[in-house]
Amino acid sequence: DGGITQSPKYLFRKEGQNVTLSCEQNLNHDAMYWYRQDPGQGLRLIYYSQIVNDFQKGDIAEGYSVSREKKESFPLTVTSAQKNPTAFYLCASSMEGRGGNIQYFGAGTRLSVL
Amino acid sequence: AQTVTQSQPEMSVQEAETVTLSCTYDTSESDYYLFWYKQPPSRQMILVIRQEAYKQQNATENRFSVNFQKAAKSFSLKISDSQLGDAAMYFCAYRSPNYGGSQGNLIFGKGTKLSVKP
Repeated sequence: DGGITQSPKYLFRKEGQNVTLSCEQNLNHDAMYWYRQDPGQGLRLIYYSQIVNDFQKGDIAEGYSVSREKKESFPLTVTSAQKNPTAFYLCASSMEGRGGNIQYFGAGTRLSVL
Repeated sequence: AQTVTQSQPEMSVQEAETVTLSCTYDTSESDYYLFWYKQPPSRQMILVIRQEAYKQQNATENRFSVNFQKAAKSFSLKISDSQLGDAAMYFCAYRSPNYGGSQGNLIFGKGTKLSVKP
């Protein structure tokens, strides 16, 4: 089945540790996105990528890093510089081109700090 | 910059009744796209309905329909014959038509939590 797979579902981070969240899609979409969701805050954009080997910062990129070496994959690293990483993280993808390209979402990863 | 406002943090509806969720947005663009997403307890975001601003006709998807008032910058979602499975967070989102740069990204409201009473 076509879709977006995020792993792991739950992740725990120790203080000072970097952790990486995985996002893979087999929809052949050009664009991929990472969002952070906090209670009562809605979704906020962390990073996005429209093509391979290119990505841009979103509204809350500090303390995060990404790579886009393959079209299907867009991993997000939460670095030790992110002082409040506890949140729900959602990955999405969409087709490139003009129009209201629909973003399709993965099931999310919940990150907690030990 | 565009903003999206959902003024109802929580709503409740009786099963089989109709409920309307409100959304307003602010933009200087004339062409854009609006979306309603549903986030059930599983937390996966699911597209409910999409509206293109240049189309005057309101979008409908089965029991879901919108009331798009472009001049008022209002985009409400009506759920008819509410079902227990409709209980979820509902997010309104805006997208500029320009692809490239941040203009192509979704801007979300803070959501409305819908409860359905049996």
